[in-house]
Amino acid sequence: GESVGLHLPTLSVQEGDNSIINCAYSNSASDYFIWYKQESGKGPQFIIDIRSNMDKRQGQRVTVLLNKTVKHLSLQIAATQPGDSAVYFCAENITHVNTGGFKTIFGAGTRLFVKA
Amino acid sequence: EADIYQTPRYLVIGTGKKITLECSQTMGHDKMYWYQQDPGMELHLIHYSYGVNSTEKGDLSSESTVSRIRTEHFPLTLESARPSHTSQYLCASSPRTGATEGYTFGSGTRLTVV
Repeated sequence: GESVGLHLPTLSVQEGDNSIINCAYSNSASDYFIWYKQESGKGPQFIIDIRSNMDKRQGQRVTVLLNKTVKHLSLQIAATQPGDSAVYFCAENITHVNTGGFKTIFGAGTRLFVKA
Repeated sequence: EADIYQTPRYLVIGTGKKITLECSQTMGHDKMYWYQQDPGMELHLIHYSYGVNSTEKGDLSSESTVSRIRTEHFPLTLESARPSHTSQYLCASSPRTGATEGYTFGSGTRLTVV
């Protein structure tokens, strides 16, 4: 098929090391952020989320950090495992004040390779 | 178990054929979406729906059409397939309100037009 976008940046880490995947978001009015993991041949899967009134949220082996000042979001994976190899997408939600609806914008994604 | 289903999983079809990619969800979500994604590339929104009888074009121009006659069903149709339509098509859904929930994605349909 015809390529319509850019190739994704990649991150290669050693098994057992911590991984940090970064994302710059576009809209200062975004109020909710999500990280998705997409394994080969599958659809993206929800990993962790964070609201704009927080700057850190922890899950199982994953932590999301939000810096609203510079519009930056990061995903930290502790003790990275081979099963963590995937493409990781960040997404931002912008709530429409009048309607209560929202728009979701996906980032470009980062491909994580875990070396055994 | 509530989920979102896409069929077929893989499809190889000849140029000029009409095809419909199926997407159904059992979560009662009002919002549904179709994304196009080339392997290893970004997600591009091609169609979305906020409810029954509501459909909109997304950010990426597409020669496909969609319909939303039932809440749970959001099929995507290509009237005349071309090799440039070769790609992966991902369906997703989300609740109507409450911006603090992410999308649920299907496993995708990988389409090859020869």
